[in-house]
Amino acid sequence: DAGVIQSPRHEVTEMGQEVTLRCKPISGHNSLFWYRQTMMRGLELLIYFNNNVPIDDSGMPEDRFSAKMPNASFSTLKIQPSEPRDSAVYFCASKLALGDEQYFGPGTRLTVT
Amino acid sequence: SQQGEEDPQALSIQEGENATMNCSYKTSINNLQWYRQNSGRGLVHLILIRSNEREKHSGRLRVTLDTSKKSSSLLITASRAADTASYFCATDAGGNNRLAFGKGNQVVVIP
Repeated sequence: DAGVIQSPRHEVTEMGQEVTLRCKPISGHNSLFWYRQTMMRGLELLIYFNNNVPIDDSGMPEDRFSAKMPNASFSTLKIQPSEPRDSAVYFCASKLALGDEQYFGPGTRLTVT
Repeated sequence: SQQGEEDPQALSIQEGENATMNCSYKTSINNLQWYRQNSGRGLVHLILIRSNEREKHSGRLRVTLDTSKKSSSLLITASRAADTASYFCATDAGGNNRLAFGKGNQVVVIP
């Protein structure tokens, strides 16, 4: 298996633009997580899905952030409009069952100027 | 919500030495996990220890868990330059399928 796949790996955009981050979880995994990592705040859970259904989005910072999981093999995290303070590395992770370890993708480094 | 907190925050050691880092948390857990993150990469799962376990080994890694003190330690024996990374502990309280990560512990192994 190729592991969790994220695209793009790097994104540079201007303030106000829409940004869409993509994630393909490991095949057969039924939970998917979106995290944000910054030096100041560390690793923050934004939202997670079980069987494609959003379970907890309490970590989503604002209404500018939205996430979808239309099927078991694809998820998106969208920021609209983007702001400089959204600059961070965004990770997607998946796991197979309750209590098992999470498998992280390589991350998307987002820079909003 | 509970949050793992690693201590010390940064550690610099010579190759071949052992590296020990600690993690404390606040509430009851089902398991505690340690992850490694190399610069510019995603986190990689290292080891999971369940609440009814006290010690676990995996290669050069040794993890202990003391639920009475709500703390865990990760020992890396005979460190190598390739062990240079950030190490995170994460707690699973169970029931809600999420992990609470600590802020990470930067380890530098000098060749």
